[in-house]
Amino acid sequence: ELKVEQNPLFLSMQEGKNYTIYCNYSTTSDRLYWYRQDPGKSLESLFVLLSNGAVKQEGRLMASLDTKARLSTLHITAAVHDLSATYFCAVDVILTGGGNKLTFGTGTQLKVEL
Amino acid sequence: DAEITQSPRHKITETGRQVTLACHQTWNHNNMFWYRQDLGHGLRLIHYSYGVQDTNKGEVSDGYSVSRSNTEDLPLTLESAASSQTSVYFCASKRDSGPGELFFGEGSRLTVL
Repeated sequence: ELKVEQNPLFLSMQEGKNYTIYCNYSTTSDRLYWYRQDPGKSLESLFVLLSNGAVKQEGRLMASLDTKARLSTLHITAAVHDLSATYFCAVDVILTGGGNKLTFGTGTQLKVEL
Repeated sequence: DAEITQSPRHKITETGRQVTLACHQTWNHNNMFWYRQDLGHGLRLIHYSYGVQDTNKGEVSDGYSVSRSNTEDLPLTLESAASSQTSVYFCASKRDSGPGELFFGEGSRLTVL
């Protein structure tokens, strides 16, 4: 059974600081997604990583994928309060019967203190 | 703009009642999914469908059913609601080709008393 583990689960940081969220997964996959969820809201797609070594950046967030290590990172640079949210990674797995599905990590709740 | 909508957004029901959560998308995506979200568990897949008349069980399908009679809709039914099914439910769809990211509805918060 595929396991997707994120750490840390909770992260409180000050504005202006840098930090990295880690996403480890237990099976072969070369597709990984990052989502953001604000409290009481839906999930918003942040990054789509489709191959080993993929790196995507948007503003203060940068995501990378190492398929050999089965690891993705979400790096936050000079955090601002608006980045406070819960961040999920999701791994795309091909099913034996055909098709594919996303398995989500448990999420990292980020709080950026003013 | 094309979108995915869920209804109701909030519902309170009693144990043993049948409940149906609606999901409607206007993107004409064949692939649709239902997840539940609980603290400490992230999102877990309940059921999914790759097209009309196709339905498949996810990892937490017990007590739930879906049907797919057209491309736009994938209703989720709780046959006999239980308190353990109190959760937030998200419907999602994805393009038939391309990156494979999911597009989520706004969620339906269900409370079973």
